[in-house]
Amino acid sequence: EPEVTQTPSHQVTQMGQEVILRCVPISNHLYFYWYRQILGQKVEFLVSFYNNEISEKSEIFDDQFSVERPDGSNFTLKIRSTKLEDSAMYFCASRLLGTRGTGELFFGEGSRLTVL
Amino acid sequence: QKEVEQNSGPLSVPEGAIASLNCTYSDRVSQSFFWYRQYSGKSPELIMSIYSNGDKEDGRFTAQLNKASQYVSLLIRDSQPSDSATYLCAVNKRVNTGFQKLVFGTGTRLLVSP
Repeated sequence: EPEVTQTPSHQVTQMGQEVILRCVPISNHLYFYWYRQILGQKVEFLVSFYNNEISEKSEIFDDQFSVERPDGSNFTLKIRSTKLEDSAMYFCASRLLGTRGTGELFFGEGSRLTVL
Repeated sequence: QKEVEQNSGPLSVPEGAIASLNCTYSDRVSQSFFWYRQYSGKSPELIMSIYSNGDKEDGRFTAQLNKASQYVSLLIRDSQPSDSATYLCAVNKRVNTGFQKLVFGTGTRLLVSP
């Protein structure tokens, strides 16, 4: 069964360092997302991406964050200068084409980011 | 008012019983609704989607939707200890761009005792 894959599964970094989280969405999906979940809290929307551009972003997704689809398969989330409060599980998700992004969302296993 | 509200639980049921999980949402124009299961430290796993008023059954799971009351529920029949997890209600919310994003509730923790 097709799945969303994410790397790394766990990354530990020092505050102020840049981090890149990588995702390979399901191959025929056209909508891509990043969500995050701080330990013990709810899953929060960060950003959605369609047709090689951001379609929506939350207030969490400030100038320190960026997303990119550098080739036909990878979808990356970059955090330029990490802060302690960026420590969380980051989930990539993808969705098959639907009317304006409707349809089921499938999640990767997540990348746990720990900022020291 | 929270966009998606769930009781955090825990909801404790004995093995073999029916577990009933509830969710309310605030955006009246939402059209699609989902239940995800999340085990501790794992990613959300899609269990059910529902788009129309009424019931939708899939194996031991039944999703119920009432758009007039802005209410979604999930019933788990013959609950098993392996069903012990956090159940996330998620609602598609239309945004200004015309696209939709999935908004999650905080989840209800279900404990099924043998």
